[in-house]
Amino acid sequence: AQSVSQHNHHVILSEAASLELGCNYSYGGTVNLFWYVQYPGQHLQLLLKYFSGDPLVKGIKGFEAEFIKSKFSFNLRKPSVQWSDTAEYFCAVNPHNAGNMLTFGGGTRLMVKP
Amino acid sequence: DVKVTQSSRYLVKRTGEKVFLECVQDMDHENMFWYRQDPGLGLRLIYFSYDVKMKEKGDIPEGYSVSREKKERFSLILESASTNQTSMYLCASSRTHQVYEQYFGPGTRLTVT
Repeated sequence: AQSVSQHNHHVILSEAASLELGCNYSYGGTVNLFWYVQYPGQHLQLLLKYFSGDPLVKGIKGFEAEFIKSKFSFNLRKPSVQWSDTAEYFCAVNPHNAGNMLTFGGGTRLMVKP
Repeated sequence: DVKVTQSSRYLVKRTGEKVFLECVQDMDHENMFWYRQDPGLGLRLIYFSYDVKMKEKGDIPEGYSVSREKKERFSLILESASTNQTSMYLCASSRTHQVYEQYFGPGTRLTVT
């Protein structure tokens, strides 16, 4: 079975620091890739997605992610975090032959200190 | 805006009780999903449905069943609740042609004592 790994479970940063959250998956074929975010007390929402084309995708709130096929990775980045970025971030993978199924990583809790 | 609502934010049930979790979406989405969210494990798919009366097992269907009698409503049923089913339950929906972009409800935190 395929898996999605987020190696950092908890990250604490100061405002203006740069962020990179790792995501690796085990599936070898073509995949669609996602990052979802859950702000405290709010619904899980889509941050950005990659289906094909430019491997560097930009999402909302200044986030971007880079798909590196050779490394089976889809890391999330932001050059300068804000206190309002405090949230839990989930990477998710959908193989092209898996229909509607998404497999989520374990999540990374980010705390940004003001 | 897509709206996915869940019947309860918090629920406390006793071991052995039958539990119903309800989810309603208002955007005429074909697909609906039930996940459970546990710390360190992320979201795990329990069941999903791609049409009325249609259902597919996800990764962890044991101990759960589902019902989809109307397009907008997807119910998760715990026939006999157990303490290891204490968790956060999330419902999601999506369109068929945007099947991978899922919209989530606020979640139901279920505690089984």
